[in-house]
Amino acid sequence: SQQGEEDPQALSIQEGENATMNCSYKTSINNLQWYRQNSGRGLVHLILIRSNEREKHSGRLRVTLDTSKKSSSLLITASRAADTASYFCATFDRGSTLGRLYFGRGTQLTVWP
Amino acid sequence: DTEVTQTPKHLVMGMTNKKSLKCEQHMGHRAMYWYKQKAKKPPELMFVYSYEKLSINESVPSRFSPECPNSSLLNLHLHALQPEDSALYLCASSQEIGRIYEQYFGPGTRLTVT
Repeated sequence: SQQGEEDPQALSIQEGENATMNCSYKTSINNLQWYRQNSGRGLVHLILIRSNEREKHSGRLRVTLDTSKKSSSLLITASRAADTASYFCATFDRGSTLGRLYFGRGTQLTVWP
Repeated sequence: DTEVTQTPKHLVMGMTNKKSLKCEQHMGHRAMYWYKQKAKKPPELMFVYSYEKLSINESVPSRFSPECPNSSLLNLHLHALQPEDSALYLCASSQEIGRIYEQYFGPGTRLTVT
């Protein structure tokens, strides 16, 4: 399978704490994206990191990419109850058919007030 | 306007029914996608349209029939579905097919086949 794998599958923290989610993938990629999905809703794009980038920030989000280890991490700082959602990493691999985005299995984040 | 809309939000249909799901975007995107998502699973790609032409069909059963009447609209026609087809159906769009473009998702249609 070319899908990424998120770790952990579920994460439960208190408001104000930081949440870290990891994603590993198998093939050479062009870029890696992170999406959030609130329960039963559509996905929202959070951030895209290109294969030649190592770190990227967006507000309370920090994404790192290590292409030598084929892994990425998403850090959410000072989490809020509204951050409760599923988080998916998604990749375009260099050999894939254009338009085919491979999603990981997701991390379910629960932030308790 | 960065919104992808989908109708209906919920749909219950029998196995002999014919129904359609609709998706619309007004961002000028030329790539549109249908995904199927089961509970606690990632989205699975079904179809990709690029410039109103079917670009990818992920070996989806013929009881699912996509249609792209124009660059803003995407339909998914359903016929003779099975209970295992019950899922959240997500529509998405992107500027074009390509490895650098993010996808914008609609809220989904929750389909139940009885």
